[in-house]
Amino acid sequence: EIVLTQSPGTLSLSPGERATLSCRASQSFGSSFLAWYQQKPGQAPRLLIYGATNRATGIPDRFSGSVSGTDFTLTISRLETADFAVYYCHQSGVSPITFGQGTRLEIK
Amino acid sequence: DVQLVESGGGLVQPGGSLRLSCAASGFIFRDYWMHWVRQAPGKGLVWVSRINGVGSDTSYAASVRGRFSISRDDAKTTLYLQLNSLSVEDTAVYYCGRGGLSGYIDSWGQGTLVTVSS
Repeated sequence: EIVLTQSPGTLSLSPGERATLSCRASQSFGSSFLAWYQQKPGQAPRLLIYGATNRATGIPDRFSGSVSGTDFTLTISRLETADFAVYYCHQSGVSPITFGQGTRLEIK
Repeated sequence: DVQLVESGGGLVQPGGSLRLSCAASGFIFRDYWMHWVRQAPGKGLVWVSRINGVGSDTSYAASVRGRFSISRDDAKTTLYLQLNSLSVEDTAVYYCGRGGLSGYIDSWGQGTLVTVSS
């Protein structure tokens, strides 16, 4: 099973700042199969990024994804109040499908 | 618009069974893989199962294999998850999701809560 390790566990930042969230995979699985989701309290997750670097429909361009080997990064360039939530990475390249444990982005 | 509406959750005793449903609309249901993902209270997302568009290919997380069964009725555009031999560790919100081309989940339902308790 591929383990996705997200860091940091919690990130405290202020609106307007830049957020960098990391997701490291225990083995390679193909970057086409890496996605990022945002989840707010009491809501279902929402797809942000698929294929490691592609924004989903309706996602603003302040969200971007990048990859280097088995290290994946979600960057939010200028934080808005609505961006404070929990973020999960997810791989579907190798069965079983797995999620990272999440990074909580909180207002400083 | 894509809509996914789960139902069937509730309180069940350990060892009991439940069937969850996910009614889909707004897209050609038979063309898509579908997934179930769960989230225990205060915890992260855990993938449970998926099924292909014709229902011939299924896979499960190790923790539910042999106890849970995924199926679909394309005529009714409905996804199902049969949960058997439930334990307290199965307590969670269960989400259904539509699968994208490379396995990501591009649309999610609002979830249905399953509580396993005596």
